[in-house]
Amino acid sequence: DVHLVESGGGLVQPGGSLRLSCVASGFTFSNYYMSWVRQAPAKGLEWVANINQDGGAKFYVDSVKGRFTISRDNAKNSLYLQMSSVRAEDTAVYYCARWNGYFNWGQGARVTVSS
Amino acid sequence: DIQMTQSPSTLSASIGDRVTITCRASQSMNNWLAWYQQKPGKAPQVLIYQASTLESGVPSRFSGSGSGTEFTLTISSLQPDDFATYFCQQSDSYPWTFGQGTKVDI
Repeated sequence: DVHLVESGGGLVQPGGSLRLSCVASGFTFSNYYMSWVRQAPAKGLEWVANINQDGGAKFYVDSVKGRFTISRDNAKNSLYLQMSSVRAEDTAVYYCARWNGYFNWGQGARVTVSS
Repeated sequence: DIQMTQSPSTLSASIGDRVTITCRASQSMNNWLAWYQQKPGKAPQVLIYQASTLESGVPSRFSGSGSGTEFTLTISSLQPDDFATYFCQQSDSYPWTFGQGTKVDI
């Protein structure tokens, strides 16, 4: 079974930084695209970023370009999202997801941007 | 960007009802469309991918169809466990986008 566990969420001040981590198990991590998807409180879902199998290709939604960086460590079966210059509108539950033609989701990490 | 518009936003139904949710894309796309079910406080779960392929383990009362700009999710006979919010999602082109969701309640 695909198992994805996020960590690193919490309260951060506007303009601050935060790093989310996701540890994967139950599948060969290095064989899959991985993604971050977020959901603002009582809102819909927003795809944030993708990374290919070897980390050489990355894609972002416009609203986070230049502020967020997706990365992975295949030796550690881990996915990361470095969030910088965060804004109130980045407040959301952030899901780590495996891409297999569709998303398999982790349980989510809550990020709150507030002073 | 491909905008995905779901209808209806909310749907009141009864056990045993046939339910149809529509997702319209702002431009024609290939069948890189998935449907997810989300319950309160939980992560979404995939139901259908590539527009019409039922994910393993998902009850056969769920089905997907469509092409081009219009896609549908059908629940043939609504069960108590199906009261939830449903989202469509396209991966035909970046940025990948979701519909705004359809809440199915009693």
